[in-house]
Amino acid sequence: GAGVSQTPSNKVTEKGKYVELRCDPISGHTALYWYRQSLGQGPEFLIYFQGTGAADDSGLPNDRFFAVRPEGSVSTLKIQRTERGDSAVYLCASSLGSNLFYEQFFGPGTRLTVL
Amino acid sequence: GDSVTQMEGPVTLSEEAFLTINCTYTATGYPSLFWYVQYPGEGLQLLLKATKADDKGSNKGFEATYRKETTSFHLEKGSVQVSDSAVYFCALFSGNTGKLIFGQGTTLQVKP
Repeated sequence: GAGVSQTPSNKVTEKGKYVELRCDPISGHTALYWYRQSLGQGPEFLIYFQGTGAADDSGLPNDRFFAVRPEGSVSTLKIQRTERGDSAVYLCASSLGSNLFYEQFFGPGTRLTVL
Repeated sequence: GDSVTQMEGPVTLSEEAFLTINCTYTATGYPSLFWYVQYPGEGLQLLLKATKADDKGSNKGFEATYRKETTSFHLEKGSVQVSDSAVYFCALFSGNTGKLIFGQGTTLQVKP
């Protein structure tokens, strides 16, 4: 079946612009996670949803970052007033549930470059 | 807070060599431990996991044992292949936080 998909695969923007990154989870997966992976580093947790609600947003670096999942399926990560330091690969993962027994399946990521 | 530390890479080995990639963790409570792999041009994939002390996770010839006394989860493979060339990430999942925490990754390059 289809895995987690993310669009766009690459996004180049200018400093100060607004961007939206989209994640389509595996059908039926109730938990959805966003991570950010900087060059040469491991993924860092940003936020996760259980259904439509954000269960934990403690990893969002500041209030320029926001994510939604209005119908409990597709999620959008929104970044306002982008900065060069936001450049990274943004990963989305989904799972059947949010406890350790459910494997997180990762998408291919969106590579964001802020010029 | 919870954290994971991996040995720095890159690690370069000849085919059929023995592989060890060290991983240690710091966590409150009893986390579950994972190894993920990222092959060139592909997304992160779960390689193996262990959910409690002394558990051994294994897959594709790779093994790792959850050692609570040394807070370690070292990845091993007896005979690596060129196709094992990838970036390997150690991670923990804390039931308290409901999220994965990753190490910085170790690049493995296997030469024929």
